[in-house]
Amino acid sequence: GQNIDQPTEMTATEGAIVQINCTYQTSGFNGLFWYQQHAGEAPTFLSYNVLDGLEEKGRFSSFLSRSKGYSYLLLKELQMKDSASYLCAVSKAAGNKLTFGGGTRVLVKP
Amino acid sequence: GAVVSQHPSWVICKSGTSVKIECRSLDFQATTMFWYRQFPKQSLMLMATSNEGSKATYEQGVEKDKFLINHASLTLSTLTVTSAHPEDSSFYICSAKQEYSNQPQHFGDGTRLSIL
Repeated sequence: GQNIDQPTEMTATEGAIVQINCTYQTSGFNGLFWYQQHAGEAPTFLSYNVLDGLEEKGRFSSFLSRSKGYSYLLLKELQMKDSASYLCAVSKAAGNKLTFGGGTRVLVKP
Repeated sequence: GAVVSQHPSWVICKSGTSVKIECRSLDFQATTMFWYRQFPKQSLMLMATSNEGSKATYEQGVEKDKFLINHASLTLSTLTVTSAHPEDSSFYICSAKQEYSNQPQHFGDGTRLSIL
């Protein structure tokens, strides 16, 4: 089976930086995804890591360490619109199935 | 970019009704699509993998006869919730991945199902 853990909630101030950690245990690892989901909407793709290291995309960066089963999503220069749930998902090699963590609700305060 | 369309967005119906939800890949072919369910303040739970031209693969605990999946073409998968009851009320989301590409799964906009 797969265990994917991430914090339930985080609060941060507008303009600040927030780091959302995700740990996982899985067999047949084929990559880790981060999605953003606003309330009542479908998830939107943010980033994908399959090799160790940091992937940067504008204000969002994602890091992966396969040996540690660990990833984080870094949100810089937080804006009010970044208030959402952030979902960590692991893909297995067979079938490209995604297994999601419980999601982290981020609240950005002025 | 790749777009997935899901219809309808909202369904409100009486207990015992069967409800069909459609998931279409608009500008790419998808031999595999995925159906998820999401309860309030919870994450997405994979229900089944829809395979074009063959039977769907259901996750443990998901009733095959309750949630009928048909993937008759390379761009369309349907999920039918049969004899729906209030406990089936949830947010149902489909996703699809473009074959032979490094693109991630793209999600439909979801269907909010409310059973009275």
